[in-house]
Amino acid sequence: DGGITQSPKYLFRKEGQNVTLSCEQNLNHDAMYWYRQDPGQGLRLIYYSQIVNDFQKGDIAEGYSVSREKKESFPLTVTSAQKNPTAFYLCASSIGPRGTGVKTGELFFGEGSRLTVL
Amino acid sequence: SQKIEQNSEALNIQEGKTATLTCNYTNYSPAYLQWYRQDPGRGPVFLLLIRENEKEKRKERLKVTFDTTLKQSLFHITASQPADSATYLCALLLRAGNNRKLIWGLGTSLAVNP
Repeated sequence: DGGITQSPKYLFRKEGQNVTLSCEQNLNHDAMYWYRQDPGQGLRLIYYSQIVNDFQKGDIAEGYSVSREKKESFPLTVTSAQKNPTAFYLCASSIGPRGTGVKTGELFFGEGSRLTVL
Repeated sequence: SQKIEQNSEALNIQEGKTATLTCNYTNYSPAYLQWYRQDPGRGPVFLLLIRENEKEKRKERLKVTFDTTLKQSLFHITASQPADSATYLCALLLRAGNNRKLIWGLGTSLAVNP
């Protein structure tokens, strides 16, 4: 079945460590996204990528980095510079890069990764 | 300021009744409005989309209305079942040239009691 796979589901990190969250999709979607979800706040966009080898900062990119070397993969690194990294992280994808005919923005989400900083 | 609001209090209803959730927004002119379902500890799942020029959209037991004058969308689940218990998120898709941005509400928790 096609879908988005995030790993790990749970991750614990010591302060000062970088961690990388994996996101893989086999939906043949061009666009991929990373969101962060915190209690009492709506989903906030960290980074997004419309096409391979290109990505853009979202609303809260500070302390995070991404890469998009393959269409299927969009890993997120939470660096030690992120001041409050404990959160639920969601990866998503959608059909079509900017400028194509599909413009409705329906997102397909992974199951999420919960990061806890000890 | 621009904002999107959903019922902040959890909604508890009896099985078989119709659940109605609201999504209000200010200072936006969305191209589309989307509804998602999210279960605890899982990613949201897309349910329905309604365009700015549509008044109503249905899918099985789900119905969404969109009033751009009132800046409000209503999400109805008819003949509700305990399995419908979840958090429901609304999201506005804004257009800016070729760019698009989703703005998310906080979600409303629905509990359907048997």
